[in-house]
Amino acid sequence: DVKVTQSSRYLVKRTGEKVFLECVQDMDHENMFWYRQDPGLGLRLIYFSYDVKMKEKGDIPEGYSVSREKKERFSLILESASTNQTSMYLCASSPTLDPYNEQFFGPGTRLTVL
Amino acid sequence: GQNIDQPTEMTATEGAIVQINCTYQTSGFNGLFWYQQHAGEAPTFLSYNVLDGLEEKGRFSSFLSRSKGYSYLLLKELQMKDSASYLCAVIDSNYQLIWGAGTKLIIKP
Repeated sequence: DVKVTQSSRYLVKRTGEKVFLECVQDMDHENMFWYRQDPGLGLRLIYFSYDVKMKEKGDIPEGYSVSREKKERFSLILESASTNQTSMYLCASSPTLDPYNEQFFGPGTRLTVL
Repeated sequence: GQNIDQPTEMTATEGAIVQINCTYQTSGFNGLFWYQQHAGEAPTFLSYNVLDGLEEKGRFSSFLSRSKGYSYLLLKELQMKDSASYLCAVIDSNYQLIWGAGTKLIIKP
């Protein structure tokens, strides 16, 4: 069973704080993704990574950065959190770059920025 | 622009059948996914369609018409545990995944 875990289910931070969201997958997948999910909108891709130390911008990378130092771990960093980054953050992984692969999601981190 | 439309919310009765529609206008088409997401949980894969027609998987079926830019998810013999959001996602010509906002399905006894 593929397992994708995220470090926190709920997080409350203050404006201007640096925030780290961690994601770990245990199935040796090459691809990892960070999305945000907001009411009334589809999942929006922030960044993805297809290999260690490799990263690509998604649709809404502004205000975010990522780090992938190990294959199983993909971190999302909010350098200076703002209230408009209050959202549900979902991490996902897939076996290869093939877009036809299903993605395996973590349970999400609900981030509130005050 | 790219657009995927799904109804925001649907209600159905336990034991009944429900059809959740998804229409898309995207730059190209390379396949369509359906995912299920229970409240507060991770989305999980239900189906993938790339050819026209109906694919059946137990109580769930997914249909695709590429010429109409249309898909539906059919859920039969509804159970309370089917209460969830159902997400439609399309792979466009750039092999990017475009997600719909999801349909929240409420099952009543």
